[in-house]
Amino acid sequence: AQKVTQAQTEISVVEKEDVTLDCVYETRDTTYYLFWYKQPPSGELVFLIRRNSFDEQNEISGRYSWNFQKSTSSFNFTITASQVVDSAVYFCALSEAGGSQGNLIFGKGTKLSVKP
Amino acid sequence: NAGVTQTPKFQVLKTGQSMTLQCAQDMNHEYMSWYRQDPGMGLRLIHYSVGAGITDQGEVPNGYNVSRSTTEDFPLRLLSAAPSQTSVYFCASSYSGAIAKNIQYFGAGTRLSVL
Repeated sequence: AQKVTQAQTEISVVEKEDVTLDCVYETRDTTYYLFWYKQPPSGELVFLIRRNSFDEQNEISGRYSWNFQKSTSSFNFTITASQVVDSAVYFCALSEAGGSQGNLIFGKGTKLSVKP
Repeated sequence: NAGVTQTPKFQVLKTGQSMTLQCAQDMNHEYMSWYRQDPGMGLRLIHYSVGAGITDQGEVPNGYNVSRSTTEDFPLRLLSAAPSQTSVYFCASSYSGAIAKNIQYFGAGTRLSVL
């Protein structure tokens, strides 16, 4: 069955530290998509990145980078030189091409606190 | 560009009351959905719609009704609220087509408490 596991419930770092948020997924589909969303204290959900199952290239966007490894079914998210504004809950999510239409399967989220 | 707009932002209900959570999008998206977020859990799909006049159930549909009469609006109805429906509700929308790959854009959420 499909599942997304974010084993880290809460992480606390000091500003400028690097931090990696883990995401492990389970799926039987060969075509699927992985997403990361950010939920700041204000509560809205903000899309960060999408990756499809055929593209294992890592991606970097400013201080954010993502490491997708099909061999370990992981899609980890690294923030370099963290800032207080990065404090939020981060969700990893899975969407299967053969699954219920459009259903995003979310992990339980990782709460990141960045202290000044 | 407003995106996905949810109203109200907060609501308190008594057990047994009914209410409608509103969701509207101005991006001409065919696909719309409702999720609920409970403490310590991710979001779970309640209902979704692939276009006007078409709706279907998600993972946790019991106690909720939806309809889709226009492309823009996708209201969620609680017919008889129960304390177990205390949650934060998110509406989302995306382009249709190959739906699994589409990015879903979320509203700001409605925080509902049922006493």
